[in-house]
Amino acid sequence: AAGVIQSPRHLIKEKRETATLKCYPIPRHDTVYWYQQGPGQDPQFLISFYEKMQSDKGSIPDRFSAQQFSDYHSELNMSSLELGDSALYFCASSFGLAGETQYFGPGTRLLVL
Amino acid sequence: QQQVKQSPQSLIVQKGGISIINCAYENTAFDYFPWYQQFPGKGPALLIAIRPDVSEKKEGRFTISFNKSAKQFSLHIMDSQPGDSATYFCAATLLNGYNKLIFGAGTRLAVHP
Repeated sequence: AAGVIQSPRHLIKEKRETATLKCYPIPRHDTVYWYQQGPGQDPQFLISFYEKMQSDKGSIPDRFSAQQFSDYHSELNMSSLELGDSALYFCASSFGLAGETQYFGPGTRLLVL
Repeated sequence: QQQVKQSPQSLIVQKGGISIINCAYENTAFDYFPWYQQFPGKGPALLIAIRPDVSEKKEGRFTISFNKSAKQFSLHIMDSQPGDSATYFCAATLLNGYNKLIFGAGTRLAVHP
């Protein structure tokens, strides 16, 4: 079965640079969630989209922005990167706003030097 | 403020033993409680989930016990195997169209042969 695809899998950036993370949800899934997981920590919700509209917002820095496109893939744009942004970034997808199960992708490991 | 509190932080169990992980939540409006299993470098994978109108749910070797009045739920892994060694996260959410997962801090389980 097709799973959530994230790219790139690994990313190394310098401070103050920008990064773009991409997420391709499971086919027919219309809801995308972004989570950030620091080393040894639990995933923290950043933002979600349903049918290309932002549906909820969590602890996402103003330096970050995201959107969902017509093919339902989503991109997380991160600017003015800081050392503290180094983390695993997960995308999850589900079917419908009331979809119970969120399926997580393999994550993008971002390292900011 | 941790809305979902998870314990223990780490757990060592012998092969064939029972692993028990506990979680407590604050928000009585939460109506969906999943458990996720995460291996190093991988995304969380849904293990089992429960709604608050059910006191117990069993799937294979995995059982969730739910105590609504105490606002607690737990995961029991019967006949624990070395392959179960992973980090386990409990989570809670409100299926009101937003569905963001609030995770516990995680339990690192090691099953020794």
